[in-house]
Amino acid sequence: NAGVTQTPKFQVLKTGQSMTLQCAQDMNHNSMYWYRQDPGMGLRLIYYSASEGTTDKGEVPNGYNVSRLNKREFSLRLESAAPSQTSVYFCASSEASGQGDYEQYFGPGTRLTVT
Amino acid sequence: GENVEQHPSTLSVQEGDSAVIKCTYSDSASNYFPWYKQELGKGPQLIIDIRSNVGEKKDQRIAVTLNKTAKHFSLHITETQPEDSAVYFCAALGGGFQKLVFGTGTRLLVSP
Repeated sequence: NAGVTQTPKFQVLKTGQSMTLQCAQDMNHNSMYWYRQDPGMGLRLIYYSASEGTTDKGEVPNGYNVSRLNKREFSLRLESAAPSQTSVYFCASSEASGQGDYEQYFGPGTRLTVT
Repeated sequence: GENVEQHPSTLSVQEGDSAVIKCTYSDSASNYFPWYKQELGKGPQLIIDIRSNVGEKKDQRIAVTLNKTAKHFSLHITETQPEDSAVYFCAALGGGFQKLVFGTGTRLLVSP
């Protein structure tokens, strides 16, 4: 049981380049999330997917797009990277069945630098 | 929407001392308050949580207290050990569908 996996672990992009961050979970969770973590700002929600086939904006969605490919996979795409998107990106998942099971399980993160 | 404030941003203690981290939240409808520990180079991991119908919860050396009237909750770590050194985040469940709003984190350093 690998939990939540993310690829790649590290990435350096030039301004204007695009890339997709991959996330997969093997816990059969309904909900998945993308966060970014910046010094002194905690974890901020970019996008989330309440269930397969649905996605919604979080607190800081500008410059990103997401795809919930199936129940296991949730990808984050940067179409035209900017230096302001330099950050550590975390994917998370939760059961979120409505029965009070709110715990979110986090992946190991992707450290992205945009020059 | 929900707003969570966390203090202090850094906390240094001697091994064996207690550590307390405090958070306040703004949305009185929030009903779930987890604490996450993040070790260097890893993703956050849940260490304890509390729901709004409970005032205190304890798990070995860690405890969380909740004051709904004042809208604040705290993490207490007793008999700290060097392996407790990490960044700790509080969060509150707010903003509609199960969206956690996180505090800005506390870096705890436990010196031997």
